[in-house]
Amino acid sequence: DGGITQSPKYLFRKEGQNVTLSCEQNLNHDAMYWYRQDPGQGLRLIYYSQIVNDFQKGDIAEGYSVSREKKESFPLTVTSAQKNPTAFYLCASSIKGFQGTGELFFGEGSRLTVL
Amino acid sequence: AQKVTQAQTEISVVEKEDVTLDCVYETRDTTYYLFWYKQPPSGELVFLIRRNSFDEQNEISGRYSWNFQKSTSSFNFTITASQVVDSAVYFCALSELWSGYSTLTFGKGTMLLVSP
Repeated sequence: DGGITQSPKYLFRKEGQNVTLSCEQNLNHDAMYWYRQDPGQGLRLIYYSQIVNDFQKGDIAEGYSVSREKKESFPLTVTSAQKNPTAFYLCASSIKGFQGTGELFFGEGSRLTVL
Repeated sequence: AQKVTQAQTEISVVEKEDVTLDCVYETRDTTYYLFWYKQPPSGELVFLIRRNSFDEQNEISGRYSWNFQKSTSSFNFTITASQVVDSAVYFCALSELWSGYSTLTFGKGTMLLVSP
């Protein structure tokens, strides 16, 4: 079945540590996204990528980094510079730009807790 | 200013009641798409509907219906005869032509709690 796989589902981190969240898709979508969700805040865009080896900052990119070396994969690293990293992270993909409508397909999410 | 406003943070109803979730949006484009997503407790967002800005026909799908009114920039969602399984967070979202439909802007969501 086509879809988006995020791992791990739950992750605990000590303060000062970097952590990488994995996102893989087999939908053959060009565009991939990372959103952060906090209670009462909705979904906020961290980074997105429309094509391999290219990505753009979203609204809250500080303290995060991404790479897009393969079409299928878009890992997110939460660095120690992120002041409040405890949150639910959602990865999504879509057909690129004008070829699509902006409709997003989501993974099941990764919940990061900083101890 | 928020581009997508869901003024209702939380709604509680009893099973079989009808409930309407409000969504008001703001855009400078004449061509855009509007979406509703459902997020059950498991966390994954589930697509419910997409509406093109040129199509103002209301849509009904089973117990779900959507009322799109460009004149008031609203895209409201009604659940008829609500059920406990409808309990979730519901998000309204906007995709705009000026951005090449490259990103979705989400509202903050409305948490719906349906009790037996």
